[in-house]
Amino acid sequence: GDSVTQMEGPVTLSEEAFLTINCTYTATGYPSLFWYVQYPGEGLQLLLKATKADDKGSNKGFEATYRKETTSFHLEKGSVQVSDSAVYFCALWEGDRDDKIIFGKGTRLHILP
Amino acid sequence: DTEVTQTPKHLVMGMTNKKSLKCEQHMGHRAMYWYKQKAKKPPELMFVYSYEKLSINESVPSRFSPECPNSSLLNLHLHALQPEDSALYLCASSPGQLRKNTEAFFGQGTRLTVV
Repeated sequence: GDSVTQMEGPVTLSEEAFLTINCTYTATGYPSLFWYVQYPGEGLQLLLKATKADDKGSNKGFEATYRKETTSFHLEKGSVQVSDSAVYFCALWEGDRDDKIIFGKGTRLHILP
Repeated sequence: DTEVTQTPKHLVMGMTNKKSLKCEQHMGHRAMYWYKQKAKKPPELMFVYSYEKLSINESVPSRFSPECPNSSLLNLHLHALQPEDSALYLCASSPGQLRKNTEAFFGQGTRLTVV
């Protein structure tokens, strides 16, 4: 079945450091890919998305490119802030088959001032 | 309006109680979801309603009973829960199947504690 694998956390970085959180997926079709962020005590917020190969999603300085050849959707940010501390979930959705959204296990990010 | 509203935000219930969680969206979405999230874990899908019909039930115990009275509302009825059911319950909605270039929107969740 479809699945999402993302790097285990926690990831601890200093402010202004470069961030990469790896995400790879397995899918039978052509899924849409997402990064969601969850701040402490809150629900999930969509951070960015990409719906087809080579699409780049971007938001709030975060970027991720849909790479079909490597089945990856790595999250990057050039200069992180303390306010970026949260849990990040990579997810996929095969909207042509059903409405099931599949999440990775999440990566907890700590940014030190 | 891109909001999914869940009530209540917090709920404490005994194992013999009956309670309901509510979720509402006014985006015209036709798919609505219930997820369960334990601490430090990803959300786990429980149910999906598509066009007000239950389309996915991930083998959830019968003490959880979903209901979709109309396209804007989704309820989760709770009865005879166990302490291990304590979790954050997340509702989400999306435009529905066969819609490209879209996403699911999540509510803030109901934090449920079973005592």
